[in-house]
Amino acid sequence: DSGVTQTPKHLITATGQRVTLRCSPRSGDLSVYWYQQSLDQGLQFLIQYYNGEERAKGNILERFSAQQFPDLHSELNLSSLELGDSALYFCASSVATPNTGELFFGEGSRLTVL
Amino acid sequence: AQSVSQHNHHVILSEAASLELGCNYSYGGTVNLFWYVQYPGQHLQLLLKYFSGDPLVKGIKGFEAEFIKSKFSFNLRKPSVQWSDTAEYFCAVNPVDGNKLVFGAGTILRVKS
Repeated sequence: DSGVTQTPKHLITATGQRVTLRCSPRSGDLSVYWYQQSLDQGLQFLIQYYNGEERAKGNILERFSAQQFPDLHSELNLSSLELGDSALYFCASSVATPNTGELFFGEGSRLTVL
Repeated sequence: AQSVSQHNHHVILSEAASLELGCNYSYGGTVNLFWYVQYPGQHLQLLLKYFSGDPLVKGIKGFEAEFIKSKFSFNLRKPSVQWSDTAEYFCAVNPVDGNKLVFGAGTILRVKS
């Protein structure tokens, strides 16, 4: 158990819909990261937050957004869903910045878009 | 932007065989290097890491990796694999002046018992 909690574990929805994925970081970790894992793209970095503020952005689509709340949990919002958004979405956390890159991952939220 | 290349997508070995998984990265500055492992049905977890110092680093479960700066490589090795090493292995790079941990595409290792 990494200490990072993600919900829901599985989610099935239809194209055009919107979903929210939730992540609670390890106790004491201020940074939260979102990654998308798909068969054709591998593990892609989406976005990072540190103590409520966006810190780094990766290959995140405009239809996706994220935020980190004062209690440090984070949500990833995916809207206007397409078939290609089906993937495993991982959240990870780390202690602080400067970031040494050592991340602790949750078990992921598997999104299926039909 | 930095990128990470893992040479093999699938590797199949028999138990007790030696393992070497290749990883090369492209980035001109100083980096921190990692290998993560994802066992079937589980989350990614850190196998080993290199920040500085001795370029040969040892991780959990008998794994080690060698950083060769001139070759921009960080290959993972294990002298004798076990069936329980069946997993997907990811090499990852984080520039020390950046916040992005970039992963390679992963190598799926299957160890036959």
